[in-house]
Amino acid sequence: AQSVTQPDIHITVSEGASLELRCNYSYGATPYLFWYVQSPGQGLQLLLKYFSGDTLVQGIKGFEAEFKRSQSSFNLRKPSVHWSDAAEYFCAVVIPIYNQGGKLIFGQGTELSVKP
Amino acid sequence: DVKVTQSSRYLVKRTGEKVFLECVQDMDHENMFWYRQDPGLGLRLIYFSYDVKMKEKGDIPEGYSVSREKKERFSLILESASTNQTSMYLCASRKQGSGANVLTFGAGSRLTVL
Repeated sequence: AQSVTQPDIHITVSEGASLELRCNYSYGATPYLFWYVQSPGQGLQLLLKYFSGDTLVQGIKGFEAEFKRSQSSFNLRKPSVHWSDAAEYFCAVVIPIYNQGGKLIFGQGTELSVKP
Repeated sequence: DVKVTQSSRYLVKRTGEKVFLECVQDMDHENMFWYRQDPGLGLRLIYFSYDVKMKEKGDIPEGYSVSREKKERFSLILESASTNQTSMYLCASRKQGSGANVLTFGAGSRLTVL
């Protein structure tokens, strides 16, 4: 069955340090992949998405993600974390349904804490 | 700006009550979705709708039903609320077509069932 796995439930990094959040998916064909962020008390906001082309995609707030087909991964990175990046991050994959756009399946989420 | 509005941010209900969670979007999107969010489990799809009067079961439909009588409104119904339905419920909408189209989410409805 198609699935998305985020192996890290909680990560703490120091402000200014680099960040990598891991995401692995299970899906046979080339997937549509997304990263969303949820700040405390807020809805989900799209950070970036991949569906074709360049495997390194740039998103908002200085985030980027790299699609690696051989590893079935779509890891999220940021070179220097800011205190405002503290939030929960969700990786997601679209399971296509013919002519209907498909349904979005989420990973378990990774909560990011930022130390001063 | 696409807006998805969930009418209730916080609800407290008693076991056995019928609960309605309402979601309205203002961008004429065909597709609408209901997810529940629980710590450590991420977001799980309950039901979705491709268009008016259409509905499809998601991954965890048991104990829930939905209604889509108008294009802009998608209601989630708990016929007889139970304590294990205490959760955060998120509604989303999307324009019909490619799976690359982005979902826009509401702010969520936190339901507590006592």
